[in-house]
Amino acid sequence: AQRVTQPEKLLSVFKGAPVELKCNYSYSGSPELFWYVQYSRQRLQLLLRHISRESIKGFTADLNKGETSFHLKKPFAQEEDSAMYYCALVGNEKLTFGTGTRLTIIP
Amino acid sequence: DTGVSQNPRHKITKRGQNVTFRCDPISEHNRLYWYRQTLGQGPEFLTYFQNEAQLEKSRLLSDRFSAERPKGSFSTLEIQRTEQGDSAMYLCASSSRGGSNEKLFFGSGTQLSVL
Repeated sequence: AQRVTQPEKLLSVFKGAPVELKCNYSYSGSPELFWYVQYSRQRLQLLLRHISRESIKGFTADLNKGETSFHLKKPFAQEEDSAMYYCALVGNEKLTFGTGTRLTIIP
Repeated sequence: DTGVSQNPRHKITKRGQNVTFRCDPISEHNRLYWYRQTLGQGPEFLTYFQNEAQLEKSRLLSDRFSAERPKGSFSTLEIQRTEQGDSAMYLCASSSRGGSNEKLFFGSGTQLSVL
C-alpha cells in the first residue's frame, strides 16, 4: 500500500523567512514524488516533481530514500506563496495525495 | 479555455436522488481520473480511464457510483441514491502520460451537497 503523510495541517511563516513543508511516504517500490499546489480560487496544479530535479518559484524538494521524505523548501518566503500544498506519490499508475498543508505567509 | 472542464460547478440534491457529473478533459489526453475531496483531506482516488477503458476502481467507489468514458473523450460520474456522506468536491483530472511523467491537469471540480 502507498501512503503520504504531511504532519502539519497549518504552517505560518514570516515573509523572507525560510519555508519547509514536510512530507513522508510509505511505498514498497521505487517512489515517484510530486508537490501540487492550490492557490486561492485556483485549480490544483503541479508545482514540481522529484525526477526533474527542478526549482519552481524558488521551491526545491529532495527525495531522501533513507528517511522516506520529500520535504519542500524555499529559502525566502514570499506573500504569493500562501496556498495549500499537497505532496503526492505515484504508485500503480495513480497519484496518492497527502492531506495537505496550508501555508500562510505573514507580511 | 483549453483546460479540463467540469460541469456543473455546484450541485445541491436531496438524499436518495441520483446525480451525474461531467468532465471534459484536455483533448489530446488519453488518461482521465476522478478524485473526491472532503474538507481537511487531500484528493482521494476514485477511478481512472485510459481512453475508454476503466482500468481501476477504488474501494471508495461503492455500487452506487458508476463512471463512464464513451469513445475515450468526456467522462461522466453518476451517483445513485445519494447519501449525506457523498457530499464532497469531485475532481476530474487528465494526463497524456503515465509513470514518472505523470502530470495531472485538474478541473475546478463539482461541489456536491446532499441535504
